Amino acid sequence: QLQLQESGPGLVKPSETLSLTCTVSGGSISSSSYYWGWIRQPPGKGLEWIGSIYYSGSTYYNPSLKSRVTISVDTSKNQFSLKLSSVTAADTAVYYCATRAGTAPYYYYYMDVWGKGTTVTVSS
Amino acid sequence: EIVLTQSPGTLSLSPGERATLSCRASQSVSSSYLAWYQQKPGQAPRLLIYGASSRATGIPDRFSGSGSGTDFTLTISRLEPEDFAVYYCQQYGSSPPRFTFGPGTKVDIK
Repeated sequence: QLQLQESGPGLVKPSETLSLTCTVSGGSISSSSYYWGWIRQPPGKGLEWIGSIYYSGSTYYNPSLKSRVTISVDTSKNQFSLKLSSVTAADTAVYYCATRAGTAPYYYYYMDVWGKGTTVTVSS
Repeated sequence: EIVLTQSPGTLSLSPGERATLSCRASQSVSSSYLAWYQQKPGQAPRLLIYGASSRATGIPDRFSGSGSGTDFTLTISRLEPEDFAVYYCQQYGSSPPRFTFGPGTKVDIK
């Protein structure tokens, strides 16, 4: 059973780079899913998709964050990561990693496996 | 860019009642690309419905999804105490690939 776990600093200073890692267990990141993604949720607000990396290595980002986001995969560690540069207080949120592990046909797009989330606060 | 609108913002109901949640897209969405999630306080979202109407693994049959084009509905036939939560719809756009979530509907106890 595929499981995801986010890790990284809980406090980041304004203008610095937020770096988070999602560790995949119960399966190989190279073959268990078509795409892996990051989603965030500011306090008291809704869900915001940050970006995804596909099995091909292609990455796609939310246009509102694109200039500051990098998502990458480390197959040797069975992890994928998020970097968000030049953070401000508006980047304070719970950050989730998620993926699609279900067996539905490839043309269905959803996320059925989520990490528990990690809270990141941007403050000096 | 497709924008999702969910209504109502809050739905106040009693256990045993039927809940009907709406998700409207600004442009037509493929049913294959429409999903629904439940989120409880302090927890990650949980997939309920994918492909607009297919229940995810382990989801009780009191949850059902329907709709096509720009109008989609999540129905909870009889609310159980554990169903009081926030519900989000999600669509996937393929050009370029991206996910978009609606603002959510909170179902709370009347």
